[in-house]
Amino acid sequence: AQSVTQLGSHVSVSEGALVLLRCNYSSSVPPYLFWYVQYPNQGLQLLLKYTSAATLVKGINGFEAEFKKSETSFHLTKPSAHMSDAAEYFCAVSDRGADKLIFGTGTRLQVFP
Amino acid sequence: DAGVIQSPRHEVTEMGQEVTLRCKPISGHDYLFWYRQTMMRGLELLIYFNNNVPIDDSGMPEDRFSAKMPNASFSTLKIQPSEPRDSAVYFCASSGTTYEQYFGPGTRLTVT
Repeated sequence: AQSVTQLGSHVSVSEGALVLLRCNYSSSVPPYLFWYVQYPNQGLQLLLKYTSAATLVKGINGFEAEFKKSETSFHLTKPSAHMSDAAEYFCAVSDRGADKLIFGTGTRLQVFP
Repeated sequence: DAGVIQSPRHEVTEMGQEVTLRCKPISGHDYLFWYRQTMMRGLELLIYFNNNVPIDDSGMPEDRFSAKMPNASFSTLKIQPSEPRDSAVYFCASSGTTYEQYFGPGTRLTVT
């Protein structure tokens, strides 16, 4: 069965520091993988997605993620954190051809000045 | 494109009352999803539709919850009777062929 594990429910970084949010997936077939961001009192917004093209995927707001099949990982990174990046981040997986997404439990990112 | 539209944005009701949440998906999307988000349980998929037909309602908590999609541009999620434990943020999302889901702003439901 598909599943997603996000390591660390809370991550804190200083402004300007590297952001690394971890996501590992389990899927019986090559998956589609997604990162979503949720700002306070808003719905989820797609940051980026992997659908079998380049393994390094660039998204909005300077975020990127790398699909590593050998590690079954899809970690989200940003070289330099901004205060505006403070939000909750969700990793999600979908078997190709499947309708629905399986979401992780989310990681809350705090950015300190 | 207006995105996914949900109404109302906030709903406060008393226990036992009927609650109806509404969603208008993005035009051309043929999948519609209803989610519930709480601190305790996180984001839960309640039900989803494809071409207005319910495909998987295994996430609907109990018979008090029902969802309909009478046409491609409108869906409702109804709770009758409502209970305090139903308090949550309810999201509607839609998607097309690329599997990306686009979320609405949510309805914050408070049942007292």
